[in-house]
Amino acid sequence: NAGVTQTPKFRVLKTGQSMTLLCAQDMNHEYMYWYRQDPGMGLRLIHYSVGEGTTAKGEVPDGYNVSRLKKQNFLLGLESAAPSQTSVYFCASSYGTAETQYFGPGTRLLVL
Amino acid sequence: GEDVEQSLFLSVREGDSSVINCTYTDSSSTYLYWYKQEPGAGLQLLTYIFSNMDMKQDQRLTVLLNKKDKHLSLRIADTQTGDSAIYFCAESTSNTGKLIFGQGTTLQVKP
Repeated sequence: NAGVTQTPKFRVLKTGQSMTLLCAQDMNHEYMYWYRQDPGMGLRLIHYSVGEGTTAKGEVPDGYNVSRLKKQNFLLGLESAAPSQTSVYFCASSYGTAETQYFGPGTRLLVL
Repeated sequence: GEDVEQSLFLSVREGDSSVINCTYTDSSSTYLYWYKQEPGAGLQLLTYIFSNMDMKQDQRLTVLLNKKDKHLSLRIADTQTGDSAIYFCAESTSNTGKLIFGQGTTLQVKP
């Protein structure tokens, strides 16, 4: 099992550009999450999904959109990137609400 | 709202014990977690404790939970240089399984 994988590992964008981050898991998990990590602030939840076809907002959803068309994939989109979105993005997945979340290796995004 | 606080930095000598502390505000927390993050890597689950437990031990790791004071600690016995990393405390409360993370404690282990 690959666990949770994220694509790409690193990306540089110019302000106003768009991009999609892909998260994939092969553990048949129902729940998937997108977090961002900024220095001194820990991880903050952007959006999450409790099953295929469902998404919900987390703590810091503004400027991001998500889709969960397939159970194994959770996409995070930035329609018009801003320097404030420079961060490390982590995807996680779990079987259920009280289950351990497994994290991907992260995507480093730099917006100039 | 929910909030989790940690001290930002801890430095210990190799072979000593390390104690990383965490406080949280939501009394309805169900699970409390400790994650480890090595440089440039994702988060690795170290251990977790259910809210009706006081203590959990797993090899060199001991987790203590004081639910009255909403205080969680992680003790690492015989700390090694390989334990140098950022340690995150997190709580899970809602039906969605969302995790609320602390800011992370950077553990520096000096030889």
